[in-house]
Amino acid sequence: GDSVTQMEGPVTLSEEAFLTINCTYTATGYPSLFWYVQYPGEGLQLLLKATKADDKGSNKGFEATYRKETTSFHLEKGSVQVSDSAVYFCVTGGSNYKLTFGKGTLLTVNP
Amino acid sequence: GAVVSQHPSWVICKSGTSVKIECRSLDFQATTMFWYRQFPKQSLMLMATSNEGSKATYEQGVEKDKFLINHASLTLSTLTVTSAHPEDSSFYICSASRTGAQGEQFFGPGTRLTVL
Repeated sequence: GDSVTQMEGPVTLSEEAFLTINCTYTATGYPSLFWYVQYPGEGLQLLLKATKADDKGSNKGFEATYRKETTSFHLEKGSVQVSDSAVYFCVTGGSNYKLTFGKGTLLTVNP
Repeated sequence: GAVVSQHPSWVICKSGTSVKIECRSLDFQATTMFWYRQFPKQSLMLMATSNEGSKATYEQGVEKDKFLINHASLTLSTLTVTSAHPEDSSFYICSASRTGAQGEQFFGPGTRLTVL
């Protein structure tokens, strides 16, 4: 089955710092790739997605590019804010609608 | 759009009792609903997948007699934890998918179950 390996946290940054959370995956076929975010006390929300190779997903200043050759989907943001503090999950999605989650990375941004 | 609700948001029960958790898609028809379990500081573990009107498909290691799933309509799925024990205490999350969403799932806010 699919598997997702993402950078384990916790990650602590100062406001306006650059963020990278690495994610690699193994999957059969060509999965869709997602980053989900879980803010403190809230449910999971889709942050961004990419459905085919070389697609770039972006939202709220976050970006990730579907790299088929390296089977990666690294999450980046040029300048993080305190409000970005959350747990970030890298996720693959197969044609059967099943999602496979990475273990999650806790990000804390300090003012 | 694509809002999923769960009820209750938290529940405390005595060991040996059964607890039912509801998952509803509020503004769309869910072709498939999923139930996950999340342990503290860990990822989500898929428990089962259900389609409206058919039996749920359980993941390996998940006891189907303990975690009863009913998907009675395109907007409602229920998870019943039968004869709950303290080790069943966890955060249970449902999600729903719809046709054309390219594999995206829409998640409920989760239900915190504590079994005393």
